[in-house]
Amino acid sequence: AQTVTQSQPEMSVQEAETVTLSCTYDTSESDYYLFWYKQPPSRQMILVIRQEAYKQQNATENRFSVNFQKAAKSFSLKISDSQLGDAAMYFCAYRSEGGSQGNLIFGKGTKLSVKP
Amino acid sequence: GAVVSQHPSRVICKSGTSVKIECRSLDFQATTMFWYRQFPKQSLMLMATSNEGSKATYEQGVEKDKFLINHASLTLSTLTVTSAHPEDSSFYICSATRQAHQPQHFGDGTRLSIL
Repeated sequence: AQTVTQSQPEMSVQEAETVTLSCTYDTSESDYYLFWYKQPPSRQMILVIRQEAYKQQNATENRFSVNFQKAAKSFSLKISDSQLGDAAMYFCAYRSEGGSQGNLIFGKGTKLSVKP
Repeated sequence: GAVVSQHPSRVICKSGTSVKIECRSLDFQATTMFWYRQFPKQSLMLMATSNEGSKATYEQGVEKDKFLINHASLTLSTLTVTSAHPEDSSFYICSATRQAHQPQHFGDGTRLSIL
């Protein structure tokens, strides 16, 4: 079974600075997707960024980028120029490419605080 | 596009009550919907996978007679918590996808409180 591990329960960053959230995963599959979701206090799940495992190039979305290391099974999220609105829970998630279900497997989350 | 509506957003009811939560895909047809549960300060845990026109697939440890899932149409799945008890209090969130491996779109969740 696949597992997702986020080793940082809480992180803090100064506004306008850069922060990196860690995520590792375990799988025997070669084809899969990885995601970072943001969950603000409203509890809404917001997709931040996604990465296809077959792509070597790291995904980027404006201030958000990932460092995808397939051999190391590592998928960290870098937030540049942090803003107060970035404060939230961040969940790393895995999804198989094959199989019949396609459900997401989530890590336990990292609570990010942004200091003004 | 790809909007998922979940209703109600908040429910407070007495122990023993059955509660129905609806998940609707507003602008697309969802062949697959997922139901997750999130306890305070914890991650989302998959409860069941709902495919239109067939029985839901439940995760290990989730009582199918307790959490009834119906996916009768391509735009609606419902989760009914039968005879709810305080330990069922949680945040329930659905997601919908056009096909099993297409991107998932989340509803805004339902906060269920059983007194």
